[in-house]
Amino acid sequence: RKEVEQDPGPFNVPEGATVAFNCTYSNSASQSFFWYRQDCRKEPKLLMSVYSSGNEDGRFTAQLNRASQYISLLIRDSKLSDSATYLCVVPLDRGSTLGRLYFGRGTQLTVWP
Amino acid sequence: DVKVTQSSRYLVKRTGEKVFLECVQDMDHENMFWYRQDPGLGLRLIYFSYDVKMKEKGDIPEGYSVSREKKERFSLILESASTNQTSMYLCASSSRGLGNQPQHFGDGTRLSIL
Repeated sequence: RKEVEQDPGPFNVPEGATVAFNCTYSNSASQSFFWYRQDCRKEPKLLMSVYSSGNEDGRFTAQLNRASQYISLLIRDSKLSDSATYLCVVPLDRGSTLGRLYFGRGTQLTVWP
Repeated sequence: DVKVTQSSRYLVKRTGEKVFLECVQDMDHENMFWYRQDPGLGLRLIYFSYDVKMKEKGDIPEGYSVSREKKERFSLILESASTNQTSMYLCASSSRGLGNQPQHFGDGTRLSIL
């Protein structure tokens, strides 16, 4: 089993829609998680950190289900500018200071007018 | 804001050349990383470093080496460039904080080996 798996999509939604992505991970000891956003031909940028059961930032909500080992990202009221690839990121080691992270291959989102 | 700077956005080299990719961060981060990203394969870790002069192999170190002589600078070296090393190279850094810390990326270098 891969360390982290994501549905690659693509997800094509109209403006204003609500869309959710799921991500599963294999290391049950993982404590903190991240969602990154990557625009076409650009570097990944941190979108949200998830340290407990979840996190909310405006239109974005990340939820963590430790029992089932999955993380979700919910985007409400989608904007054209949300079009990007969303990467689910899981640490290699619990509390490791070496900082290794596993990056999922990403879920592609396109928001159309 | 964290600033990670990569020396070149675009680079074209020839097969067999020795290629140097430079990365500098300004946040006094202990950890630094080099990835390559190819379509359909996602980010793959080449090498990382958790301290000056320390280095660890990632998942695909073959054909690469690294150097970390100063805390803020992490260099990736292609010893003898080959066409299959044409890729987008991304440098990242993170702090050695309590628990896992996010990584911050540079703009990336698009390297073409002819």
